[in-house]
Amino acid sequence: EVQLVESGGGLVQPGGSLRLSCAASGFTFSSYEMNWVRQAPGKGLEWVSYISSSGSTIYYADSVKGRFTISRDNAKNSLYLQMNSLRAEDTAVYYCARGNTAMVTGDYWGQGTLVTVSS
Amino acid sequence: QSALTQPPSASGSPGQSVTISCTGTSSDVGGYNYVSWYQQHPGKAPKLMIYEVSKRPSGVPDRFSGSKSGNTASLTVSGLQAEDEADYYCSSYAGSNTRYVFGTGTKVTVL
Repeated sequence: EVQLVESGGGLVQPGGSLRLSCAASGFTFSSYEMNWVRQAPGKGLEWVSYISSSGSTIYYADSVKGRFTISRDNAKNSLYLQMNSLRAEDTAVYYCARGNTAMVTGDYWGQGTLVTVSS
Repeated sequence: QSALTQPPSASGSPGQSVTISCTGTSSDVGGYNYVSWYQQHPGKAPKLMIYEVSKRPSGVPDRFSGSKSGNTASLTVSGLQAEDEADYYCSSYAGSNTRYVFGTGTKVTVL
């Protein structure tokens, strides 16, 4: 069974940093591209970042470019999102999602982790 | 990259059909056959319902169908059931740099 479990969310002050993790199991993690998607409270879904299966190709949404860094450790079956210079508008539930060759954002999703940026 | 445009709400009685539109541009919906649809119940993670415009993942009922014409994609839910009441989001591949764009979301109510 495919499982994605996010962790690392919490309350952080504006300008602060946070590192999210996503533990994957039930599939060959190193064969799949991965995405981070976020959802602000009461709002819609927003794609945040993409990483290829090897980690060699990375993309970011303009809203986080220069502040967020996606990475992965295929030996540990884990995906990460380093978030720096956090702003109030980054407050959201962050989901990790498994991509596939059909160019979907996610055929499987984690349950999400809440990041709240507030003083 | 702007969000794809969806109607805020749609509704239908049990057994009826409802169709949700998703309008983009030639840079996303119109440019690629990579439109997907997600169902999201309150407090839950999104679930993939349709990919590559009209394909259904294993386990998704055939009551759900997708199509596309030009820059507009559509999701149709036939034979509405109470459990279909949820938010629905479209998404499109938008090129190598922008990567993905989501729709604004549609709340489907089963009357």
